[in-house]
Amino acid sequence: QKEVEQNSGPLSVPEGAIASLNCTYSDRGSQSFFWYRQYSGKSPELIMFIYSNGDKEDGRFTAQLNKASQYVSLLIRDSQPSDSATYLCAVRRYQLIWGAGTKLIIKP
Amino acid sequence: GAGVSQSPSNKVTEKGKDVELRCDPISGHTALYWYRQSLGQGLEFLIYFQGNSAPDKSGLPSDRFSAERTGGSVSTLTIQRTQQEDSAVYLCASSSGTGWGGDTQYFGPGTRLTVL
Repeated sequence: QKEVEQNSGPLSVPEGAIASLNCTYSDRGSQSFFWYRQYSGKSPELIMFIYSNGDKEDGRFTAQLNKASQYVSLLIRDSQPSDSATYLCAVRRYQLIWGAGTKLIIKP
Repeated sequence: GAGVSQSPSNKVTEKGKDVELRCDPISGHTALYWYRQSLGQGLEFLIYFQGNSAPDKSGLPSDRFSAERTGGSVSTLTIQRTQQEDSAVYLCASSSGTGWGGDTQYFGPGTRLTVL
């Protein structure tokens, strides 16, 4: 079992809908959770991170943690074609462990 | 302030040649990371520096790969006797290195290495 797992996708969502991306992790002691976005041919850029004590909303993006089930979600409201990218999840207890990413396609 | 910079942006080399890739982290960041990303794949961790020391070299794929960091700033990743399977984008990231949970990695634009 990989330490951080993501569905590779592609996940196809119509424009204006909510895109929901999930990431499961194996280390129950994980303390911080990161979401990065990577456009094709570009390097990853941070969207947001959360700690194990709570969720966070930033504009159209919300990160939610389910500790009992050991997964973290990224919700993107009012999805735009410009949100089409690969979304990388990373989880830290001592070091940052990366998932392989989910490809998201927003269809106009 | 300036972000992470990497050079060259593209490197084409012949099999068997040595290459050096450079990373200039964000000023003041003590932690520096090297990753490799093959086409359509996730990030493959190579090595981590805290200051000039490399406490975690576990990701280096073979002894042809080495890295150093001097002055707690610039780092170079050297690949000796390159092979075609070394072709990938090499990404560098830096962070403040505080060690607390929110220590965030910021990435450079990467070096695309092609081994012919």
